[in-house]
Amino acid sequence: QSALTQPASVSGSPGQSITISCTGTSSDVGGHNYVSWYQHHPGKAPKLMIYEVSNRPSGVSNRFSGSKSGNTASLTISGLQAEDEADYYCSSYIVTTLGVFGTGTKVTVL
Amino acid sequence: QVQLQESGPGLVKPSQTLSLTCTVSGGSITSGDYYWSWIRQPPGKGLEWIGFNFYSGRTYYNPSLKSRVIISVDTSKNQFSLKLSSVTAADTAVFYCARGVEKWYGMDVWGQGTTVTVSS
Repeated sequence: QSALTQPASVSGSPGQSITISCTGTSSDVGGHNYVSWYQHHPGKAPKLMIYEVSNRPSGVSNRFSGSKSGNTASLTISGLQAEDEADYYCSSYIVTTLGVFGTGTKVTVL
Repeated sequence: QVQLQESGPGLVKPSQTLSLTCTVSGGSITSGDYYWSWIRQPPGKGLEWIGFNFYSGRTYYNPSLKSRVIISVDTSKNQFSLKLSSVTAADTAVFYCARGVEKWYGMDVWGQGTTVTVSS
């Protein structure tokens, strides 16, 4: 299985919006709505930010939103804050092994 | 609320078997709504699925690791475990256990992670 493709890094100034893409194939991202996004601060446990493409778990800020078009899912962070600086990973259901991660994106707040 | 905690040796010799345990607290491992997962992150690299175990007995493993991995559930201890055999330095990583939600195939609860180094 190949990892989903994400940009290595995305940056933005406080208050700005940024979008992270996650590109797969019709066998994973494009084949269903089981796409999740995780925030990972180094040394800490990854945190679920989005599930089923666009749903936010309880407690996650509404500055985080998800969407999907074809084989590409996206995570948008609005009103960027210093605490958003972290690594972000997408993941998708895939019928053969149930899951595949994206390559990861480092978000830098300038 | 459910919490997960990994435990096991931090150092394993090459060619030996890496064994880790994840203890589930605040909930039952026998819930049919969830599955139990291991994920790892090698130094400087991204997250990588190792595999999952459903309480029903179904298991799914990363094809690249399948020949060396076993994930099992111990309901009496509310724990699940990972065994990775014939390890090499390439298996050095932070290992995370996580709870997967079967309804939408994502991980909603994660352990803090444990570092395992493969070295003689």
